[in-house]
Amino acid sequence: LAKTTQPISMDSYEGQEVNITCSHNNIATNDYITWYQQFPSQGPRFIIQGYKTKVTNEVASLFIPADRKSSTLSLPRVSLSDTAVYYCLVRGIISSGSARQLTFGSGTQLTVLP
Amino acid sequence: DAGVIQSPRHEVTEMGQEVTLRCKPISGHNSLFWYRQTMMRGLELLIYFNNNVPIDDSGMPEDRFSAKMPNASFSTLKIQPSEPRDSAVYFCASSLVGGQQYGYTFGSGTRLTVV
Repeated sequence: LAKTTQPISMDSYEGQEVNITCSHNNIATNDYITWYQQFPSQGPRFIIQGYKTKVTNEVASLFIPADRKSSTLSLPRVSLSDTAVYYCLVRGIISSGSARQLTFGSGTQLTVLP
Repeated sequence: DAGVIQSPRHEVTEMGQEVTLRCKPISGHNSLFWYRQTMMRGLELLIYFNNNVPIDDSGMPEDRFSAKMPNASFSTLKIQPSEPRDSAVYFCASSLVGGQQYGYTFGSGTRLTVV
């Protein structure tokens, strides 16, 4: 199973760009990389997913190098409301159609300071 | 769509009692997941279903835990008998497996306290 490793915590200031890196050394060919955001007392919220190179949506960018053994979530110009725990999760589809590796890592607590 | 709906939001029960948590996934999603979250262990996958069939229940702590998905729009997680160490937030999530959609949508969770 693809295990993920992230920094436990990060601090940033409002308006800065934040990059959170996740390592997933044993990612499989069919696996996708997904990132989630969780606020206290809420369920995790899907942010972005990618397979390789770069993906961008309205809230974040995801950078994945050619070997796919790591990925970096980039949050542009963070605000206080971006303070949350961020999880990366590697998952994919096995041939039978079932999903594999659905266990989250420990996550990164991002604290945005004024 | 109202999203993934879980009930109850909070449950306080005495040790030894049976507890049933409920989940309604997003219509059209074909996979459903039960997670448990605690400070000590983080988010743990308990079980997941694909097309209403349990695929992997290796995360279920012990025989006291059971989960069912009788149809595509409903699932239950039951704990019998409950113990104080079962206290946690239990999340249900659903997903569309296949195609390019891999993201989960989580419910708001059920906070279970066993006293």
